[in-house]
Amino acid sequence: SQQGEEDPQALSIQEGENATMNCSYKTSINNLQWYRQNSGRGLVHLILIRSNEREKHSGRLRVTLDTSKKSSSLLITASRAADTASYFCACWDRGSTLGRLYFGRGTQLTVWP
Amino acid sequence: KAGVTQTPRYLIKTRGQQVTLSCSPISGHRSVSWYQQTPGQGLQFLFEYFSETQRNKGNFPGRFSGRQFSNSRSEMNVSTLELGDSALYLCASSPWGRLFPSEQFFGPGTRLTVL
Repeated sequence: SQQGEEDPQALSIQEGENATMNCSYKTSINNLQWYRQNSGRGLVHLILIRSNEREKHSGRLRVTLDTSKKSSSLLITASRAADTASYFCACWDRGSTLGRLYFGRGTQLTVWP
Repeated sequence: KAGVTQTPRYLIKTRGQQVTLSCSPISGHRSVSWYQQTPGQGLQFLFEYFSETQRNKGNFPGRFSGRQFSNSRSEMNVSTLELGDSALYLCASSPWGRLFPSEQFFGPGTRLTVL
């Protein structure tokens, strides 16, 4: 499978703490994206990092990419209860110009007030 | 701009029936993709349309089909429904043309329950 695989499957923290989620993938990628999904709703795009980038920031989000290890991490700093959601990494297969996103199973993040 | 809209939001069908789901992409987006999300399999890619042509297809049986209209709106159809087709069906649109894979914008999904 070319899917990204997130780790951990579930993460429970207190407000104010940082949350780190990891993603591993198997194929060469064009880019890797992170999405958030609130329960039973659509996915919201958070950040995209290209294969030639190593780190990217967006507000309280920090994403790193290590193509040699085929892994990425998403760090949410100073978590809030509203950050409670499932987080998915999605890989865009480098090999195909007609690419598609391969999603992992997601990390369920719970942030307690 | 208005976001991606999907109709209906909820649907209950019985085995053997067929269903059609609709997706209106963000204005100007020509790529529309469909995904099936279940607790067991996660998010699975169904197919992607661009300018009324199916460009990519996932590993789903022929009972799953789709099409895209000239205004980029898309429909997907599932015939002869099975219990296992119960899922959240997500539509996503993208401004991506041919060379630059970019982020996808998802609709709220259609929750299909097959009894």
